[in-house]
Amino acid sequence: SQQGEEDPQALSIQEGENATMNCSYKTSINNLQWYRQNSGRGLVHLILIRSNEREKHSGRLRVTLDTSKKSSSLLITASRAADTASYFCATADSWGKLQFGAGTQVVVTP
Amino acid sequence: DAGVTQSPTHLIKTRGQHVTLRCSPISGHKSVSWYQQVLGQGPQFIFQYYEKEERGRGNFPDRFSARQFPNYSSELNVNALLLGDSALYLCASSPDRGHSGTEAFFGQGTRLTVV
Repeated sequence: SQQGEEDPQALSIQEGENATMNCSYKTSINNLQWYRQNSGRGLVHLILIRSNEREKHSGRLRVTLDTSKKSSSLLITASRAADTASYFCATADSWGKLQFGAGTQVVVTP
Repeated sequence: DAGVTQSPTHLIKTRGQHVTLRCSPISGHKSVSWYQQVLGQGPQFIFQYYEKEERGRGNFPDRFSARQFPNYSSELNVNALLLGDSALYLCASSPDRGHSGTEAFFGQGTRLTVV
């Protein structure tokens, strides 16, 4: 079963626009991570936010975490065609077992 | 440095057969995990190994088994293949006892098709 649920399932935007996707989860976590996957191949780690953090930035990425609501959001600013991919949130327990959501498919058109 | 390598990249098997998938973690990484990703879904956790011991197992039948070798590489075995086992199998490695607090590094996966 999936731990998290991403919203929306799909997102289509134009280059230069911002993309926001949300993730909700069910159980307590050690940290939450966001990954990108291109064309059904390997996942690339984007950013990790710990349970005691509320916001984190990395380049054009901004992640927030609200443990009281068991939710997180990923914002990609000034999107590019190369950002076209599937984005997954994953929660990690104390041993590091990752539980993924179903993902958000993002399409950025020039 | 080489990343996580998986072999083979693609595989076609017949129902009832067995399959062995292989994974070499990043040099120095002692933790290896396996995930199954069915088309259109997120990856599902199958196994985690650390220092050659099983540290976690997901909700998969006993047809699925794995092991980790002294050099920290790993194999995933699936017996009596079913059509529903068709998926992308991903291996991830991490330097510490688990992925807790650190990112996981994923290989490119093995695409298994069962016919």
